[in-house]
Amino acid sequence: GIQVEQSPPDLILQEGANSTLRCNFSDSVNNLQWFHQNPWGQLINLFYIPSGTKQNGRLSATTVATERYSLLYISSSQTTDSGVYFCAANLMDSSYKLIFGSGTRLLVRP
Amino acid sequence: NAGVTQTPKFQVLKTGQSMTLQCAQDMNHEYMSWYRQDPGMGLRLIHYSVGAGITDQGEVPNGYNVSRSTTEDFPLRLLSAAPSQTSVYFCASSLARGQGGSDTQYFGPGTRLTVL
Repeated sequence: GIQVEQSPPDLILQEGANSTLRCNFSDSVNNLQWFHQNPWGQLINLFYIPSGTKQNGRLSATTVATERYSLLYISSSQTTDSGVYFCAANLMDSSYKLIFGSGTRLLVRP
Repeated sequence: NAGVTQTPKFQVLKTGQSMTLQCAQDMNHEYMSWYRQDPGMGLRLIHYSVGAGITDQGEVPNGYNVSRSTTEDFPLRLLSAAPSQTSVYFCASSLARGQGGSDTQYFGPGTRLTVL
């Protein structure tokens, strides 16, 4: 089945720093989504981004479907950005299965 | 809108017991799914449904049953609980796009299950 790999697995930043999280997927996908899981366990959808670039405040994401990767950019990080960031991909096989990567755990220090 | 709701929030079972985890959404979403999250790991798909009367297996379906009699509800049944099923369970819903793609996923708050 499809492999969804995220890097780095762990990341520690000082408040105000920028970072880039990467998501690679092994097969062609219908769509790619990014999620943030906060320290209380709640999962929030950040981006639905099958291709191209989107921005939402300090966060932006880019998916290059032909090269099978997506990037999540966090600028001017804040302590509230801490948590785990997941990407998830839908296979382009009409199955509707959404497969998650193992996540990047981010800690932003004040 | 309440979004996606899950009950209970916490549950402790003994090995061999059965139970049902409830999931409901009020957004008229066709696609609903169940995931489990084990410590330090990502989410693994258990079962999913693209509409009432339609269900299919995900990555880790063994030991779990589902049914979808209405658009709103998607319960997950553990037939005979095992310690390996200790996990946090998340339900999610979205619109279903054509050609097998799901739209933006909305997650419930999760159910923390411990099997002794």
